[in-house]
Amino acid sequence: EADIYQTPRYLVIGTGKKITLECSQTMGHDKMYWYQQDPGMELHLIHYSYGVNSTEKGDLSSESTVSRIRTEHFPLTLESARPSHTSQYLCASSESWGSTDTQYFGPGTRLTVL
Amino acid sequence: GQSLEQPSEVTAVEGAIVQINCTYQTSGFYGLSWYQQHDGGAPTFLSYNALDGLEETGRFSSFLSRSDSYGYLLLQELQMKDSASYFCAVSRGANNLFFGTGTRLTVIP
Repeated sequence: EADIYQTPRYLVIGTGKKITLECSQTMGHDKMYWYQQDPGMELHLIHYSYGVNSTEKGDLSSESTVSRIRTEHFPLTLESARPSHTSQYLCASSESWGSTDTQYFGPGTRLTVL
Repeated sequence: GQSLEQPSEVTAVEGAIVQINCTYQTSGFYGLSWYQQHDGGAPTFLSYNALDGLEETGRFSSFLSRSDSYGYLLLQELQMKDSASYFCAVSRGANNLFFGTGTRLTVIP
């Protein structure tokens, strides 16, 4: 059973605010990912990490930043939120050497920027 | 560039069989995965094909043809709870996935 958590689940915030979306996993996975998904649309990879102190940008350009100081924790930060950031943000993790490339997803954070 | 094509919507009757196709174009291919996502929920892993052929897991089967850059997900004995979006995803190596646009399956009584 996958154990990956995201907080908050829902966030409504005003333009210009700084926000941090939390993601934690208890599976000891080295690899973690952030996706952005608008309703009814595909998942876009915005950041990924292969381990502590490793972060990379994904396919979709994002103004957000990430950090990976601990294996289990992969927070995403927006320094100044804008309405265009309104979306669902999904965190995922996977084993380093899994044969199926299975990714386990958290429940997501639905962000609304007013 | 990379692209994956899936039908946007499929409707099928409860108890029937439905096939969701996926064609891909990508540099660096290690395998094809399928994920299910219910409205408001998180994607969950269904199956993975690294080699050509059919993989069966209960009511769900997945097929891959690397030479045709094509795969499909087959759902048998459809149930109402199978109504969801289904995404194919290409593994590009190092557990890095590129997702398709998703197929919304509606199961009707």
